[in-house]
Formats: sequence, C-alpha cells, structure tokens
Amino acid sequence: KQEVTQIPAALSVPEGENLVLNCSFTDSAIYNLQWFRQDPGKGLTSLLLIQSSQREQTSGRLNASLDKSSGRSTLYIAASQPGDSATYLCAKKWGGTSYGKLTFGQGTILTVHP
Amino acid sequence: DAGVTQSPTHLIKTRGQQVTLRCSPKSGHDTVSWYQQALGQGPQFIFQYYEEEERQRGNFPDRFSGHQFPNYSSELNVNALLLGDSALYLCASARSHYGYTFGSGTRLTVV
Repeated sequence: KQEVTQIPAALSVPEGENLVLNCSFTDSAIYNLQWFRQDPGKGLTSLLLIQSSQREQTSGRLNASLDKSSGRSTLYIAASQPGDSATYLCAKKWGGTSYGKLTFGQGTILTVHP
Repeated sequence: DAGVTQSPTHLIKTRGQQVTLRCSPKSGHDTVSWYQQALGQGPQFIFQYYEEEERQRGNFPDRFSGHQFPNYSSELNVNALLLGDSALYLCASARSHYGYTFGSGTRLTVV
C-alpha cells in the first residue's frame, strides 16, 4: 500500500523560530513531491515542487529537500511568522508518468504565536 | 491569469439527492483531477481526466462519476448522497510534468 506520513501532526512555536516538518513515504518510485499550504476551510496553495531528479528547492524562507533512498522529504521554514500558521501537506506523485495521482499525508497543523 | 475555478463554493443537499460540482482548469492545463477532503484529513484522490477520458480512479464507488469537456473543464457528479459524502471537494489541474494547481474547493454538506 502506498502511504505518506507526516510528523508531527501538530506543532506550536513562538515567532522567529526555525522549524522542520517531516514527510515520509513508502515505495521509492517517486515522480515528484509537492508541498502545499492550506488555510482553514480553503483550498491548497502550492509551496514547492521537487522533481525526482532534484535534491531540494527553495523559495524565500522555505526550503524543501528530497531523499528518495530513505523515502523522506523535509520542509524547513526559517524565521517563522504568525502568518505561517496553517496546515502543511506533502503529496507524492507516483510512478513514471507525468499525470499520476497525488497521495497526501495527513498534514501538520502549524501554529506560530507572537 | 485565473487559476483553477470551482463552483459552487458551498452546497447543502439532502441524503439520496444528486449533486454536480464544476471546475475550470488553469489556463494552459489539460488534465483535471478531483479530490475529496474530509475534516482533519489529507485529500483523497477520486479520479483524473485527460483528453475527455477517465485515466485513473481512486477507491470511490460508482456513485462518483465525472466528465471532461473539450475546453478541459470538468464536472464531478455524486448520486444517492450519503451523510459520509460531506467534505471539501477539490479540483486540481496540471500540464505535463509540472505540479498541480488546486482550486478553492466546494464545501458539500449532506443533511
């Protein structure tokens, strides 16, 4: 069974901290991995996309890495802000096709307090 | 450039009824996928359409069906609604090997 697991389920940190969100997956047949942000009751906003041939991607204060051999991806958020509070989801696209389905983790609920 | 557009935003239906949700993909995208997200869970894949055909399907019953039109827009139909169908329904579009773009979703409540 293809599974994606995210740890921790919830995280509460003071403003300014650097933090790491973890995503692990079974089966190394990965096409790409995408990190999303979801605000309560809203849709998903794509943060970073890592192709299987890449090791990491960066956008502003966000950095995502991918280690296919260990089946892990991490999202690093530098200097967290209250506006970063949201649910963060990782999703793996399986197999060798560009149009494969995404399999999501359960998400990490992040709260950054002032 | 408009992203993925979904309608309606919210919907309340009675058990046993049928519902149709609509999605317009991002400009330039040709593939549309539908996901169901229950409260507190990650989205679950329902099915994917490309070139007006269903290409992949998740573990959902036949009550869930869809369609893709020549302009790439798509519909999700759910028949014989159950209370357990209450969820946020998300549409995502993509082109080639690029990442998916998601819409804001349709919140379906079955009473």
